[in-house]
Amino acid sequence: EDQVTQSPEALRLQEGESSSLNCSYTVSGLRGLFWYRQDPGKGPEFLFTLYSAGEEKEKERLKATLTKKESFLHITAPKPEDSATYLCAGGGTGNQFYFGTGTSLTVIP
Amino acid sequence: GAGVSQSPSNKVTEKGKDVELRCDPISGHTALYWYRQSLGQGLEFLIYFQGNSAPDKSGLPSDRFSAERTGGSVSTLTIQRTQQEDSAVYLCASSLSGTDTQYFGPGTRLTVL
Repeated sequence: EDQVTQSPEALRLQEGESSSLNCSYTVSGLRGLFWYRQDPGKGPEFLFTLYSAGEEKEKERLKATLTKKESFLHITAPKPEDSATYLCAGGGTGNQFYFGTGTSLTVIP
Repeated sequence: GAGVSQSPSNKVTEKGKDVELRCDPISGHTALYWYRQSLGQGLEFLIYFQGNSAPDKSGLPSDRFSAERTGGSVSTLTIQRTQQEDSAVYLCASSLSGTDTQYFGPGTRLTVL
């Protein structure tokens, strides 16, 4: 069964305390692993797409990596404004996208 | 350019009433998705449109739910005889094609009393 699992469900960090969010996937014929950020009351905002194992992408304090089984979103020296829910999704065969339930990140000043 | 827009942003209705939710995708995007997001839950796929092809309706939870996409652009999601369990945020997303990155609208928060 195709699915995406994210961990932890919630994460509290002190400002400046680096950490990683995990996205494990079992998606047949993965054609893209997508990361989004979602703020309360808003739609998901696109962050990254990764297409092949070993690929890495960076944006400000965020770096996404991909292996054959999982993806990580590394957050370096986070700030309070990084607080949000981070979603990952695997693009499967056809038009199917499989979303995880997200990691709720809180960065404490 | 303009992103995906949805209207209304909030909708409160009474049980048993019909509601229509609207989505305006990014211009030029041929693929359009509807999802439902309940509190604490992941995104639940509802329906997918790609160009002029027949839509993939496999995620619609019941026959009370339907959707149209007119002229390959604007889409309307209709929920008939709403139930309290239909309360959720309904998100629309569009992409250049069915395999590309999806860009989401702000969502419509539906509350059924």
